[in-house]
Amino acid sequence: AQSVTQLGSHVSVSEGALVLLRCNYSSSVPPYLFWYVQYPNQGLQLLLKYTSAATLVKGINGFEAEFKKSETSFHLTKPSAHMSDAAEYFCAVRSRDDKIIFGKGTRLHILP
Amino acid sequence: GAVVSQHPSRVICKSGTSVKIECRSLDFQATTMFWYRQFPKQSLMLMATSNEGSKATYEQGVEKDKFLINHASLTLSTLTVTSAHPEDSSFYICSASSGTVTYEQYFGPGTRLTVT
Repeated sequence: AQSVTQLGSHVSVSEGALVLLRCNYSSSVPPYLFWYVQYPNQGLQLLLKYTSAATLVKGINGFEAEFKKSETSFHLTKPSAHMSDAAEYFCAVRSRDDKIIFGKGTRLHILP
Repeated sequence: GAVVSQHPSRVICKSGTSVKIECRSLDFQATTMFWYRQFPKQSLMLMATSNEGSKATYEQGVEKDKFLINHASLTLSTLTVTSAHPEDSSFYICSASSGTVTYEQYFGPGTRLTVT
């Protein structure tokens, strides 16, 4: 079965500091992995996706993620946090029937 | 491109009444639409998948008679919560897929349902 585990339901970083949100996956098929962002009372916006091409994936808003098969990880990073990055972030994996399975989410807080 | 809208964005209804939520793909044809439910501070749970012109496929544990889904056209799907109760209060999000790969989904902005 496919699943993702996000380590840390809340992460706080200072403005300008590195953002690192952790995601580990389990998949019985070649994994397709996604990161989504959700701002309060809004839907989800795709940040980036990995679909078996380059292992380092660059997304919108300066985010990137690296697929590491040996570690079954797909951590999300951004070199310098902005206040506007405060939101809920969801890691997700493609299921066997091509649906999306979401992690429980990580709320990112940016400290001034 | 690939914009999905939902209407209404917020709705308050009384217990026992029904409420309809619309999901529209504005600039593409959505062969498949999905309905998710999100409880406060939790992840999205898939409720059902609908393909244009056919019956929706519900996930285990979702009451199909309570959550009626219609996908009458390639740009519109509706979710009707029938005989709503306070425990149905939630954030409902739809998404749409335009192709054969249904993991490529575009999400609507969500609808906040409050049942009093």
